Amino acid sequence: NAGVTQTPKFQVLKTGQSMTLQCAQDMNHEYMSWYRQDPGMGLRLIHYSVGAGITDQGEVPNGYNVSRSTTEDFPLRLLSAAPSQTSVYFCASRRQGIQAEAFFGQGTRLTVV
Amino acid sequence: GENVEQHPSTLSVQEGDSAVIKCTYSDSASNYFPWYKQELGKRPQLIIDIRSNVGEKKDQRIAVTLNKTAKHFSLHITETQPEDSAVYFCAAGNFGNEKLTFGTGTRLTIIP
Repeated sequence: NAGVTQTPKFQVLKTGQSMTLQCAQDMNHEYMSWYRQDPGMGLRLIHYSVGAGITDQGEVPNGYNVSRSTTEDFPLRLLSAAPSQTSVYFCASRRQGIQAEAFFGQGTRLTVV
Repeated sequence: GENVEQHPSTLSVQEGDSAVIKCTYSDSASNYFPWYKQELGKRPQLIIDIRSNVGEKKDQRIAVTLNKTAKHFSLHITETQPEDSAVYFCAAGNFGNEKLTFGTGTRLTIIP
């Protein structure tokens, strides 16, 4: 069972560079989301999607883009990396309905220098 | 939007003792409250949840209580064991809205 797969696990970027964090799930979940985890700030929602072709902003969307062309994939793009985007990023998926359990990927530790 | 506060940020308890983590929420429309556990270097995983039509829910050594009037809910772990050491996150959400808002996390350490 693959579940939710995130790549890469670690990444170092220079300020101004762009990159895409990949997220794929094989559970046919409608809902997918991206969170960032910072010390003392918990998990903050960046963007989410309730199905293919539908995305919406979370609490901290600035500097990030997403798209959902298929049910399985939900990539997160950093347009021009900044040191403030140094964080651990988690992708999560679940069935429709907030009471459904969210399954998280293993996380991506991103450092922007 | 919803704001979830979680206390304490760190908690150390002797093995076998009980641990309590408390969360408050701001949006009276919130009606779903899950708790996630994140072991060191691993991904968060759901351990228990409660809906607003229930005041308490238990699952073996863990329980969650909800006070809708005061807008707070708590996680109770009894007979703590070393494997309970982790970061615990509370969250609040609304059945009419797909967003979950997480608390800032509590690092629980069980002292052998």
